[in-house]
Amino acid sequence: GENVEQHPSTLSVQEGDSAVIKCTYSDSASNYFPWYKQELGKRPQLIIDIRSNVGEKKDQRIAVTLNKTAKHFSLHITETQPEDSAVYFCAASWAGGGADGLTFGKGTHLIIQP
Amino acid sequence: NAGVTQTPKFRILKIGQSMTLQCAQDMNHNYMYWYRQDPGMGLKLIYYSVGAGITDKGEVPNGYNVSRSTTEYFPLRLELAAPSQTSVYFCASSLGTRKNTGELFFGEGSRLTVL
Repeated sequence: GENVEQHPSTLSVQEGDSAVIKCTYSDSASNYFPWYKQELGKRPQLIIDIRSNVGEKKDQRIAVTLNKTAKHFSLHITETQPEDSAVYFCAASWAGGGADGLTFGKGTHLIIQP
Repeated sequence: NAGVTQTPKFRILKIGQSMTLQCAQDMNHNYMYWYRQDPGMGLKLIYYSVGAGITDKGEVPNGYNVSRSTTEYFPLRLELAAPSQTSVYFCASSLGTRKNTGELFFGEGSRLTVL
């Protein structure tokens, strides 16, 4: 099955600075890589995703890059704001075994310092 | 649309008790999932279903059972509660297409404590 590693587990940045969260995956057949944001006590919500036929995708202050050769993908948040404080999860599609589902990383707790 | 609705939000169980976590979605999604979330461990898939009458095990199915008699409902049953099942449980649904999982829509979560 798929294995997703996510780093760092905690990231503290000054408000206005950029934040980068990195993930690696093991299954070369995976082709879908979403990022979910979970605010304290809330449900995870999709913020951006990328498919294997593109290398980068951007949506306002957030962007995701994908390197299929190296099997890693990253989330970039620019001009961080207090509302960006949350736990972020990367995931990879578990395309093997004829089943459909996501394997999640363990999460990164992003702290925005005022 | 209410989206994905889970009940109860909180529950305390004694060891050996049984209970069912309810999950309903009104988006006519084919795929439904149950995840558990433990601190610092991300989301682990317990069971999933690709349609009514079809269920399959995920990564951590032991101690749980599911059923999917209709598209809308996907209850999760704990038969003999154990302290290791203390966790936050999330039900989710997606439109679902093979090999290209779409956006997961999560319920608000159910916090279960087994004492």
